Amino acid sequence: GNSVTQMEGPVTLSEEAFLTINCTYTATGYPSLFWYVQYPGEGLQLLLKATKADDKGSNKGFEATYRKETTSFHLEKGSVQVSDSAVYFCALSGGQAGTALIFGKGTTLSVSS
Amino acid sequence: GAVVSQHPSRVICKSGTSVKIECRSLDFQATTMFWYRQFPKQSLMLMATSNEGSKATYEQGVEKDKFLINHASLTLSTLTVTSAHPEDSSFYICSARDLLNSYEQYFGPGTRLTVT
Repeated sequence: GNSVTQMEGPVTLSEEAFLTINCTYTATGYPSLFWYVQYPGEGLQLLLKATKADDKGSNKGFEATYRKETTSFHLEKGSVQVSDSAVYFCALSGGQAGTALIFGKGTTLSVSS
Repeated sequence: GAVVSQHPSRVICKSGTSVKIECRSLDFQATTMFWYRQFPKQSLMLMATSNEGSKATYEQGVEKDKFLINHASLTLSTLTVTSAHPEDSSFYICSARDLLNSYEQYFGPGTRLTVT
């Protein structure tokens, strides 16, 4: 079945450091891929998405490229801020529109000034 | 942007009682809503898929008689935890799929259930 594996946390960085959170997936068909962010005490928010191979999703300085050949969707940001501290979830949605999301376990990012 | 609300945000109940959690899409119509459960420091686990006007589809291992789901309108789905036990204590999150945007799901803020 479909699954998502993302790197274990927590990730601790200093402000302005480069961030990479690895995410790989297993899926049949052509899934859509997502990164969600959960700030402390809040619900999940969509950070970015990509719906087909080689698409790059980007938002708020974060980027991720849908790599079919490596079944990956790594999240990157060139310069993190304290306000980026949150839990980040990689997720996929099956090939059929409207199917439920399958989430990775989440990676906690902590950025200090 | 699309907003999904959940009510209540926190609830404490006694063992053996039932609790109802509401999930509403405030500014869009949702034919499909999903219910997830999140354990501390773990990922979201899909419990069931709720389609307006029909029976919910439950994931393997989720007791449908314990977690009753009703999706009576395009903007409201409810999850009722019946005869709650302490092991049901968890964070329950719903999401709603926008009719006009098939891949977009919007998440509610979650409901923290504590069963004493």
